[in-house]
Amino acid sequence: AQSVTQLDSQVPVFEEAPVELRCNYSSSVSVYLFWYVQYPNQGLQLLLKYLSGSTLVKGINGFEAEFNKSQTSFHLRKPSVHISDTAEYFCAVSTNRDDKIIFGKGTRLHILP
Amino acid sequence: NAGVTQTPKFQVLKTGQSMTLQCAQDMNHEYMSWYRQDPGMGLRLIHYSVGAGITDQGEVPNGYNVSRSTTEDFPLRLLSAAPSQTSVYFCASSQSGGVTGELFFGEGSRLTVL
Repeated sequence: AQSVTQLDSQVPVFEEAPVELRCNYSSSVSVYLFWYVQYPNQGLQLLLKYLSGSTLVKGINGFEAEFNKSQTSFHLRKPSVHISDTAEYFCAVSTNRDDKIIFGKGTRLHILP
Repeated sequence: NAGVTQTPKFQVLKTGQSMTLQCAQDMNHEYMSWYRQDPGMGLRLIHYSVGAGITDQGEVPNGYNVSRSTTEDFPLRLLSAAPSQTSVYFCASSQSGGVTGELFFGEGSRLTVL
């Protein structure tokens, strides 16, 4: 079965600094990978997804992620964060072997003034 | 557009009571799913459905039942609530081929079991 590990439960970063949120996955078959964002007291919304093709994926709000098959990673990056990026970020994985979309435990991004 | 609608938004139950969390979507999505969100645990998949009449278990199905009689609705039933089921529940839907598509989430239902 597929699984995903988010290595950091919380990440503090100064405003306008770059940030990387780490995600590693485990699967015996090819994967589809996603990053979702949850703003306070809201549901989740999709930031970006990797299905196939180019390993660098660009999403909304200036975020991007890189699929690295050899490292089984899908880290999320943003070159310059803003206070509005304060949220919890979830990595998720699925495969074409079943219909389950499995989420990680989430990373809280704290933007420091 | 309504999107994914969950009701109720808040509910308090006593141990042993039963209830149903309702989920409806108006996007004609084939794929629907239920997750629970607990602090430090992320989202865990409870049950999912790839179409009317088809349901399957997720990561944490015990204590929950689902059915999918129409494309639009996917209710989640707690037959005998336990304090361990205190959580925030999210319903989500996606177009056919759900595992590659974007999940659209409802606003959540916060359940407290005393």
